[in-house]
Amino acid sequence: AQSVTQLGSHVSVSEGALVLLRCNYSSSVPPYLFWYVQYPNQGLQLLLKYTSAATLVKGINGFEAEFKKSETSFHLTKPSAHMSDAAEYFCAVTLSSFSGGYNKLIFGAGTRLAVHP
Amino acid sequence: DARVTQTPRHKVTEMGQEVTMRCQPILGHNTVFWYRQTMMQGLELLAYFRNRAPLDDSGMPKDRFSAEMPDATLATLKIQPSEPRDSAVYFCASGPPIQMGNTIYFGEGSWLTVV
Repeated sequence: AQSVTQLGSHVSVSEGALVLLRCNYSSSVPPYLFWYVQYPNQGLQLLLKYTSAATLVKGINGFEAEFKKSETSFHLTKPSAHMSDAAEYFCAVTLSSFSGGYNKLIFGAGTRLAVHP
Repeated sequence: DARVTQTPRHKVTEMGQEVTMRCQPILGHNTVFWYRQTMMQGLELLAYFRNRAPLDDSGMPKDRFSAEMPDATLATLKIQPSEPRDSAVYFCASGPPIQMGNTIYFGEGSWLTVV
């Protein structure tokens, strides 16, 4: 079975500082991995995804994540935080399905990012 | 701009009433998910469908919840009777056949309050 662990339910950084949100996964077969962002009172928006192509994945808003199989990790980074990055971030894992669609998407507990001046 | 559409966006209802939430997946998507989000439990998968057939509804309380896909353009989640503990945000998401892409898209959610 797949699972995702996000280390740190709250992360606080200064504006302009590096953002690092940690995600470790467990999967018996090569997974697909996603990062979603949720702004207050809104739905989930896809930031980026890993689907077995390049291990370094670039997403929207300057975020990127690196798939490291040896560490079973998919940490999210951004070189310089902006006030508008304050939100909740979710890591998720799924498997591709050869029967034609997705298997269930399993989410981590989320990390709330605060950015202060 | 293709998107998953959920209705209603907000619903306040009294305990014991029936609640029906609707979702229109993105045209051409064959996999539909229902998630529930609460402060205590985070994002929980309630059920998901492929080609309108339920694949997994083990996360759904069977005594009061039911999920269906009457056709490829409509998924429904029904709660009867509703209870205060059902207060949550319910998200629908859809994904394409794997050969057509690999991104799952979420709707804006249905914010349910049961009083």
